Amino acid sequence: SQQGEEDPQALSIQEGENATMNCSYKTSINNLQWYRQNSGRGLVHLILIRSNEREKHSGRLRVTLDTSKKSSSLLITASRAADTASYFCATSNSGGSNYKLTFGKGTLLTVNP
Amino acid sequence: GAGVSQSPSNKVTEKGKDVELRCDPISGHTALYWYRQSLGQGLEFLIYFQGNSAPDKSGLPSDRFSAERTGGSVSTLTIQRTQQEDSAVYLCASSLGGRAGRAEQYFGPGTRLTVT
Repeated sequence: SQQGEEDPQALSIQEGENATMNCSYKTSINNLQWYRQNSGRGLVHLILIRSNEREKHSGRLRVTLDTSKKSSSLLITASRAADTASYFCATSNSGGSNYKLTFGKGTLLTVNP
Repeated sequence: GAGVSQSPSNKVTEKGKDVELRCDPISGHTALYWYRQSLGQGLEFLIYFQGNSAPDKSGLPSDRFSAERTGGSVSTLTIQRTQQEDSAVYLCASSLGGRAGRAEQYFGPGTRLTVT
């Protein structure tokens, strides 16, 4: 079953603008990860945030996590055309099966040059 | 170093035939995962291998699906008597395994399976 739900499903912006994608989930988590996928093939790991963390940065990426609201956001600053891709959040549940990732359906980001 | 590799990259097969999909994980990664991505279902967990432990097969959709991992490295996903609903991209991933904190998964490029 799909636990993570990304919002919006699709986002189109101009180069240089910031892009914000949101993810909501339902159960207690161990960590939440964001992945990027180009052209429907392999996923690339972007960033992992643990349940006891609230914010994390990596280059132009900023991820926040609010466990009380069971939600996360991914901010990409100063977007580039090369950022065009689908972005997925994935949760690792707390408990014995914490290796399993449950993916959302993704946000398709289009950055127009 | 080399990433996760998968073969073939594309496979077209007739309904009822068996197919084998191969995954070579990153060297040193003890954990290996198979996922399926289809238009209707998004990304679904299929199976997980960790070292010499019994695999977690809880995501396999039917007994037509099986997977093995030989020598703790290469893995093969086999689909018997393929059906049209098996058409999807099959993704393999590996990770360092062990503690949950080492959870980043590294994905291969996937195998696009089309059942006609």
